[in-house]
Amino acid sequence: KAGVTQTPRYLIKTRGQQVTLSCSPISGHRSVSWYQQTPGQGLQFLFEYFSETQRNKGNFPGRFSGRQFSNSRSEMNVSTLELGDSALYLCASSLWFRDNTGELFFGEGSRLTVL
Amino acid sequence: KNEVEQSPQNLTAQEGEFITINCSYSVGISALHWLQQHPGGGIVSLFMLSSGKKKHGRLIATINIQEKHSSLHITASHPRDSAVYICAVKGYPSGTGNQFYFGTGTSLTVIP
Repeated sequence: KAGVTQTPRYLIKTRGQQVTLSCSPISGHRSVSWYQQTPGQGLQFLFEYFSETQRNKGNFPGRFSGRQFSNSRSEMNVSTLELGDSALYLCASSLWFRDNTGELFFGEGSRLTVL
Repeated sequence: KNEVEQSPQNLTAQEGEFITINCSYSVGISALHWLQQHPGGGIVSLFMLSSGKKKHGRLIATINIQEKHSSLHITASHPRDSAVYICAVKGYPSGTGNQFYFGTGTSLTVIP
């Protein structure tokens, strides 16, 4: 069974540009969540999607957005990039159980560098 | 204020020792997750708990909902257990819906 796939794995952007990251969940998983990991702040929750609807959201500015498609694949977008957006962006897929997230299965992440 | 506090931040143990990592949280939760991250590696879920105790091999996780506290125990530690262990909760902060909160992690080194 294929795991969670994130693309691209590495990317370099300049300030002011925008970026789109993709996450393909494990087959049968309909929940996808996104996280930012930095050395200074650790892991932080961005948002969570189930059945094409954003169910929960962390405390990030509106420049960070996401969506989920009918096949459960998800994308996140960061607009007007800032140096501080340099980070490892992780997604996790899970089953949705009793109106809540199940066990998390993480992808390897997309490492974004903003110059 | 951090919603999730872990201790210790760093831990060095001799192979074979019994290890305990603690996690305290301040929000109401629907579940608590223990995660493992090896250097340069991805994140693996070890446990998801909402009550009681779970065991996988040499790893045991417990949670006390009333005290808002969880522990991760590693029995007979091995150098391959060297990793960062992260406690995460899916919380119910008032008025803002569910979101995940993470501890800063415990860096464990097991010496042969």
